[in-house]
Amino acid sequence: ETGVTQSPTHLIKTRGQQVTLRCSSQSGHNTVSWYQQALGQGPQFIFQYYREEENGRGNFPPRFSGLQFPNYSSELNVNALELDDSALYLCASSLGSFENIQYFGAGTRLSVL
Amino acid sequence: GNSVTQMEGPVTLSEEAFLTINCTYTATGYPSLFWYVQYPGEGLQLLLKATKADDKGSNKGFEATYRKETTSFHLEKGSVQVSDSAVYFCPDFEYSGGGADGLTFGKGTHLIIQP
Repeated sequence: ETGVTQSPTHLIKTRGQQVTLRCSSQSGHNTVSWYQQALGQGPQFIFQYYREEENGRGNFPPRFSGLQFPNYSSELNVNALELDDSALYLCASSLGSFENIQYFGAGTRLSVL
Repeated sequence: GNSVTQMEGPVTLSEEAFLTINCTYTATGYPSLFWYVQYPGEGLQLLLKATKADDKGSNKGFEATYRKETTSFHLEKGSVQVSDSAVYFCPDFEYSGGGADGLTFGKGTHLIIQP
């Protein structure tokens, strides 16, 4: 158990819809990173939030956006869903942007039909 | 940017066999190196880490040594168990100074241990 919780565990959406995924970070952690893991692939870095600000971004389009709240929980929003957005979305929390040990949640499985 | 290369899987071994999973990385500086394990249907769990050259990470019988000269961080275990069956990842982390880049993952190595 890492103390990082994600909701929902599974989600089915249709192409063009919007989705919001949620993550509660481990107690005391102020940094949340989001990753996309396609089937059979390694996770790909989407972005990181540190103290409520986006602190780095991977190679994902602007329709992937996020928020971090004062309690350091976070949301990942994806607009205009595409079939290729079907994946496991992982949230990881860490103690500070420079602290490189990241603790992962179990993920949200998103299926886009 | 960084990249990580792992040996292709699946790797199939018998119980109590010796395990090596190869991992090499490319980085311009001095990244931190990790091994994470993903059991079926679960998220990633940190297995071990090393932050500088010649560091050895170890946990649950697994070991890996940070070899700067060969840019490698191979995972080893002397005697594997069926419960070690999972997908193993060796991401690296290098802070570019322009913001977080996150962990850089390879495709992972699927390990299957047969009784």
